Amino acid sequence: SQQGEEDPQALSIQEGENATMNCSYKTSINNLQWYRQNSGRGLVHLILIRSNEREKHSGRLRVTLDTSKKSSSLLITASRAADTASYFCATVPPTGNQFYFGTGTSLTVIP
Amino acid sequence: NAGVTQTPKFQVLKTGQSMTLQCAQDMNHNSMYWYRQDPGMGLRLIYYSASEGTTDKGEVPNGYNVSRLNKREFSLRLESAAPSQTSVYFCASSVGGSVDTQYFGPGTRLTVL
Repeated sequence: SQQGEEDPQALSIQEGENATMNCSYKTSINNLQWYRQNSGRGLVHLILIRSNEREKHSGRLRVTLDTSKKSSSLLITASRAADTASYFCATVPPTGNQFYFGTGTSLTVIP
Repeated sequence: NAGVTQTPKFQVLKTGQSMTLQCAQDMNHNSMYWYRQDPGMGLRLIYYSASEGTTDKGEVPNGYNVSRLNKREFSLRLESAAPSQTSVYFCASSVGGSVDTQYFGPGTRLTVL
């Protein structure tokens, strides 16, 4: 399978703390995307990082990509209770039109 | 602007019954996708349509068929439902395929008894 794997599977932190989750994948990529899913809802796109980029920021989100290690990390700074959700990485191969989603990290932010 | 809509929201079928899940997007996107989400498995791609008039298999196409009716609509059909197809089904769309972000619908929760 070309699915990525997120680590940890579950994470529980206090409001105000930073949350870091990681994604490892197996094959080369065109880009890697992070999505959030609130309970019972569809996925919402957070950020896209291309294979020639090493870091991207969007508000309180910071994503890094290390293609030599085939890994990416998502950092959420100053977390809020509203950040409680599952977070998924999706890898996109250099050719084709498919997305491969990881198994997700469940984040709980305690008020 | 409703984004991506899916019908129905919930469905219960008996083994062997057939049904069609409907998906529509109003963002003039070229590509559309069908996924299933099972506990602990993440999302797995069933079928996708890179552009109007084309469809391709994803990771788990067995037991499903799709139709890209027009640029807006992409339906998923289960011809003979099986309990293994109990899942949450998501439709998504993107402007230009996998180099762009995907926009997801709210999902259809399907139970096959």
